[in-house]
Amino acid sequence: KAGVTQTPRYLIKTRGQQVTLSCSPISGHRSVSWYQQTPGQGLQFLFEYFSETQRNKGNFPGRFSGRQFSNSRSEMNVSTLELGDSALYLCASSLTGEFSPLHFGNGTRLTVT
Amino acid sequence: DQQVKQNSPSLSVQEGRISILNCDYTNSMFDYFLWYKKYPAEGPTFLISISSIKDKNEDGRFTVFLNKSAKHLSLHIVPSQPGDSAVYFCAASASPGGKLIFGQGTELSVKP
Repeated sequence: KAGVTQTPRYLIKTRGQQVTLSCSPISGHRSVSWYQQTPGQGLQFLFEYFSETQRNKGNFPGRFSGRQFSNSRSEMNVSTLELGDSALYLCASSLTGEFSPLHFGNGTRLTVT
Repeated sequence: DQQVKQNSPSLSVQEGRISILNCDYTNSMFDYFLWYKKYPAEGPTFLISISSIKDKNEDGRFTVFLNKSAKHLSLHIVPSQPGDSAVYFCAASASPGGKLIFGQGTELSVKP
């Protein structure tokens, strides 16, 4: 079974630009979550989607948004990029999201210059 | 407000000995706890979980202990192997939903 696939692996953007990251979950998984990892901050929860609906949201500004498609694939968008948005963005999928472990992709490393 | 805390950023252990990684939480609504291992340039990999109705769960060399009254969980690795060297994250969830709250991670180094 293929794992969680995130594209692209690396991105370099300039302040003020916007970026879209993509995530394909494990086949059959309906829940997709996004996390931001920065040094010293661990993994910060962004949002979770289940059956195309945002079910949970973390404490990030509205510049961070996401969506999920009918095939469970998900995208995350960050608008008006800031230097502090430089991070590893991780996508994770699970069967239902409740009491089922998250399976993570290898992440997209975003650098904002 | 850091609801899940791993107070030791790093831990060094000799091969063959026991590694004990600790995690504290503040939210009494958490009822599902997990440990993940992360190598550089890879996403975290699920290791072991425990629900709040249990106080211990074992899987091979890995055992997780949960002390609800102290709001504390720990991961024991016995015996430790050099391949266990990685960053370990504990995470907690309050059902329903898939929102996991992670600690900051502990970097384990197992020396031969």
